[in-house]
Amino acid sequence: DTAVSQTPKYLVTQMGNDKSIKCEQNLGHDTMYWYKQDSKKFLKIMFSYNNKELIINETVPNRFSPKSPDKAHLNLHINSLELGDSAVYFCASSQSTVHEQFFGPGTRLTVL
Amino acid sequence: AQSVSQHNHHVILSEAASLELGCNYSYGGTVNLFWYVQYPGQHLQLLLKYFSGDPLVKGIKGFEAEFIKSKFSFNLRKPSVQWSDTAEYFCAVTSIQGAQKLVFGQGTRLTINP
Repeated sequence: DTAVSQTPKYLVTQMGNDKSIKCEQNLGHDTMYWYKQDSKKFLKIMFSYNNKELIINETVPNRFSPKSPDKAHLNLHINSLELGDSAVYFCASSQSTVHEQFFGPGTRLTVL
Repeated sequence: AQSVSQHNHHVILSEAASLELGCNYSYGGTVNLFWYVQYPGQHLQLLLKYFSGDPLVKGIKGFEAEFIKSKFSFNLRKPSVQWSDTAEYFCAVTSIQGAQKLVFGQGTRLTINP
């Protein structure tokens, strides 16, 4: 029984395509996040949702659009993919914004 | 804005050596502090956390960390490392006021030689 799950685990696609990554948590948490981990392992928050409402939106190109259909799901849609979007994307969830976060297994996105 | 600095980019040790990884943050208000570990090819897992109380906190797998408020530091320690501790270690901080977003340090790669 995985706490935070993401699909797909790997995503290889061509520049210009549109793709989505899905995230689900079964922990009953109110807050969910998307992070980007670059090739140097640096982790940066992209978005945060609390009870389906966007609360953090970092400086991310508007090609990236998060969607939260309910508290347990937070999906990430990326339009017009670029080479620089290649990274590992992690979903996470927490009880609140100040509590520890539980991370999903990551989605390795490769844009060719 | 908050920032987190981890002093060591890559640390190489032999098994049974003692470990200390440095972490400093810049934020004047009250913070919650975390250390996460990322084993090769895996997701981040929480090692330990500090919210309040005793500044010396114990985590999983024999790790501990000490919060020194006056130095804005939260260093991670382990008295005797094992080969299986080879991983990337991240210090992270969130303020309990304001934006309340988790800010990560740049990570420290730990390599343990058998």
